[in-house]
Amino acid sequence: AQSVTQLDSQVPVFEEAPVELRCNYSSSVSVYLFWYVQYPNQGLQLLLKYLSGSTLVKGINGFEAEFNKSQTSFHLRKPSVHISDTAEYFCAVTLWNGFKTIFGAGTRLFVKA
Amino acid sequence: EAGVTQFPSHSVIEKGQTVTLRCDPISGHDNLYWYRRVMGKEIKFLLHFVKESKQDESGMPNNRFLAERTGGTYSTLKVQPAELEDSGVYFCASSQLPGQGTGNTIYFGEGSWLTVV
Repeated sequence: AQSVTQLDSQVPVFEEAPVELRCNYSSSVSVYLFWYVQYPNQGLQLLLKYLSGSTLVKGINGFEAEFNKSQTSFHLRKPSVHISDTAEYFCAVTLWNGFKTIFGAGTRLFVKA
Repeated sequence: EAGVTQFPSHSVIEKGQTVTLRCDPISGHDNLYWYRRVMGKEIKFLLHFVKESKQDESGMPNNRFLAERTGGTYSTLKVQPAELEDSGVYFCASSQLPGQGTGNTIYFGEGSWLTVV
């Protein structure tokens, strides 16, 4: 079975500060890794994904994530956040066959002025 | 290219009533998924269609929920009768089959926000 753990339920941070949202996963089979973002009252938007190749992946809005196979982690980072980054962020894994995506519980990022 | 579209975007119904949610996947996507997020909880898988066939419906909470995908295009999710605990956001998603183009990426709709009062 697969599982995703987002280690922080809420992360408050000041504008222009760096941020890291942590994600660990477990799986007995190969998976693809994703980060989705949900802005207030909106749907889920794909932020970035790791399928294969370089372990550092870059996404939209200046976010990046690094896949660490030995630590089974896929932490999301941004060097300088903006007020508009306030949202809920979900780490997710999809089985190698593309079927069923499993989500973490989400991390609420609050960016303060 | 149009994304995954869901209707209605918001719905408020009384306990005991019926609601039908509709999802139009991205054209050409054979995989269609339904997910649900009850307030404050995780996003949970409900079921998965491959074309018109149910591949996996292990996440359907009970028999008050019925999903269909006639013709392998759009899908409906009916809740009958609705209960208070059914309130939440219902997300639809679609993807191509593995090995096809973006087959390893699932695209989500905006969600249908259901409130049962």
